[in-house]
Amino acid sequence: DAGITQSPRYKITETGRQVTLMCHQTWSHSYMFWYRQDLGHGLRLIYYSAAADITDKGEVPDGYVVSRSKTENFPLTLESATRSQTSVYFCASSGLPTNEKLFFGSGTQLSVL
Amino acid sequence: KQEVTQIPAALSVPEGENLVLNCSFTDSAIYNLQWFRQDPGKGLTSLLLIQSSQREQTSGRLNASLDKSSGRSTLYIAASQPGDSATYLCAAAMNTGFQKLVFGTGTRLLVSP
Repeated sequence: DAGITQSPRYKITETGRQVTLMCHQTWSHSYMFWYRQDLGHGLRLIYYSAAADITDKGEVPDGYVVSRSKTENFPLTLESATRSQTSVYFCASSGLPTNEKLFFGSGTQLSVL
Repeated sequence: KQEVTQIPAALSVPEGENLVLNCSFTDSAIYNLQWFRQDPGKGLTSLLLIQSSQREQTSGRLNASLDKSSGRSTLYIAASQPGDSATYLCAAAMNTGFQKLVFGTGTRLLVSP
């Protein structure tokens, strides 16, 4: 199906483990984003990518790593998960940098115990 | 640093009522402003995008206005329906050359039959 999909939908892990959240879009959008949503903080940008092999930090990048070897995929890796990274993570994409709507995936709910 | 505020945090209305959701931002140097809808456990869906040069956008029963000089945007929902129940978020895109959105924390709307 066309669109933007995230996996897994739910993930429980332990402190110190490495976790990778997947994001795949079928529109060939240039721009992709990772946000986290926390109560009281709203959505905050973790990392973004303007094209394959081009990534940059957002507002809260510490503890996260991204890569974008293909236009359609933008995985987010927590190298050593901490309890403070318990959150709902959303991937998003858009075609143009500023003039188009942002399309979101359904999210990954991550719990770090 | 841009700050986006949405008041009220929650709103409950009877079906059929016209209502206004408010969004304010501290830095008027925005590129555009988007309104999103988020259903429980789901991702965000973009409803309306207003470019900085525009004053309003309409889609069906929804009308969003933008007043950059006063740092305010409103989302007007006409003839509300129970299906409109959701959280509504606004997000301001900063002039950074890409869609770096700063989100408000949302207004949770409940429309009762």
